[in-house]
Amino acid sequence: GQNIDQPTEMTATEGAIVQINCTYQTSGFNGLFWYQQHAGEAPTFLSYNVLDGLEEKGRFSSFLSRSKGYSYLLLKELQMKDSASYLCAVRDGGNNNDMRFGAGTRLTVKP
Amino acid sequence: NAGVMQNPRHLVRRRGQEARLRCSPMKGHSHVYWYRQLPEEGLKFMVYLQKENIIDESGMPKERFSAEFPKEGPSILRIQQVVRGDSAAYFCASSPSATSGNTIYFGEGSWLTVV
Repeated sequence: GQNIDQPTEMTATEGAIVQINCTYQTSGFNGLFWYQQHAGEAPTFLSYNVLDGLEEKGRFSSFLSRSKGYSYLLLKELQMKDSASYLCAVRDGGNNNDMRFGAGTRLTVKP
Repeated sequence: NAGVMQNPRHLVRRRGQEARLRCSPMKGHSHVYWYRQLPEEGLKFMVYLQKENIIDESGMPKERFSAEFPKEGPSILRIQQVVRGDSAAYFCASSPSATSGNTIYFGEGSWLTVV
């Protein structure tokens, strides 16, 4: 099985930077994904890491350390519309390569 | 290129009735995943299917729930004799295959309310 842990809630200020951490344990690692989900809507894909290091995509960056079982999502220049849940997910190669999700981090951006 | 299509978007059932949720994957995708999300909670894995084959159903409740993905037509998640605790959003997602580089893309979800 796998454990995917991330903080339940975070609050940040508009224009600031926030880092959302995710730790995981899997029997076989085949990629880590971040999704954004606004209330009442479907999750949308943000980023993918399979090798160690930082992947940058506009205001969003995602980092992975496979040896530590650790990832973070970095959001810069926060906007009010970034208020949403951020879901960390892992493809588990030791479990049919299916996709399992953490419980999500609810981010509130305040003016 | 249509995305993942789910229907119905909203479904109301009385206790004891059956609910059928349908999912058509993106074009070219042969893998389908079903997740359940209770209010204010994360996505819980239910089942992972390929055409005519269940790959992993470890997240499915042992009774009343079943899923299929036939050779032709959409994937179906079936809930028999629904109870109030089945009220949730059910999300379907699809991917081309299960290799490491393939992300999964979600449909808009089906919101089931049991009254």
